[in-house]
Amino acid sequence: GENVEQHPSTLSVQEGDSAVIKCTYSDSASNYFPWYKQELGKRPQLIIDIRSNVGEKKDQRIAVTLNKTAKHFSLHITETQPEDSAVYFCAASNAGNMLTFGGGTRLMVKP
Amino acid sequence: SAVISQKPSRDICQRGTSLTIQCQVDSQVTMMFWYRQQPGQSLTLIATANQGSEATYESGFVIDKFPISRPNLTFSTLTVSNMSPEDSSIYLCSVGADPYEQYFGPGTRLTVT
Repeated sequence: GENVEQHPSTLSVQEGDSAVIKCTYSDSASNYFPWYKQELGKRPQLIIDIRSNVGEKKDQRIAVTLNKTAKHFSLHITETQPEDSAVYFCAASNAGNMLTFGGGTRLMVKP
Repeated sequence: SAVISQKPSRDICQRGTSLTIQCQVDSQVTMMFWYRQQPGQSLTLIATANQGSEATYESGFVIDKFPISRPNLTFSTLTVSNMSPEDSSIYLCSVGADPYEQYFGPGTRLTVT
């Protein structure tokens, strides 16, 4: 089955700096890669996703890149703000919405 | 996106008992899933709740421990049976939206004493 690894497990940045979280996946058939943000005590929220026919996608301060050859994808957050502090999960799917999640990254943005 | 609700939002249960968690969606959805999130950990898929047929369980999860019902396209239940402290987790339902997106319910925080 699919295996998703996520790094780093914790990330601390100064407000205004950029943050990058990286994930690798094992199943070359995976074709959908979402990112979720989970604030303390809240449900995971879908913040951005990318499909295998696209190399990069942006939405305001966040972007995701995908390298299918190397089987890795990354989340980029620019101009970080304290409200970006949360746990971020990457995931991969190859069929029927079934998601395999990475281990999560705790992002802390220091004001 | 669909509005997803879960009941109960939290519960404290004694070992050996069972708890049934409900998941309700405000629109018909084809795909519904149940996940477990142990404290400080990632999300692990328990099973896919299939409407009109038996759920499809992931490795490590069995029907006797986690029976699932899906009577229609807007509702599902997950039962955690014969609970032990190791079952203390957050249980989340999710729904699939065409063609790929998946959205989560608010979760049920279960503590087993």
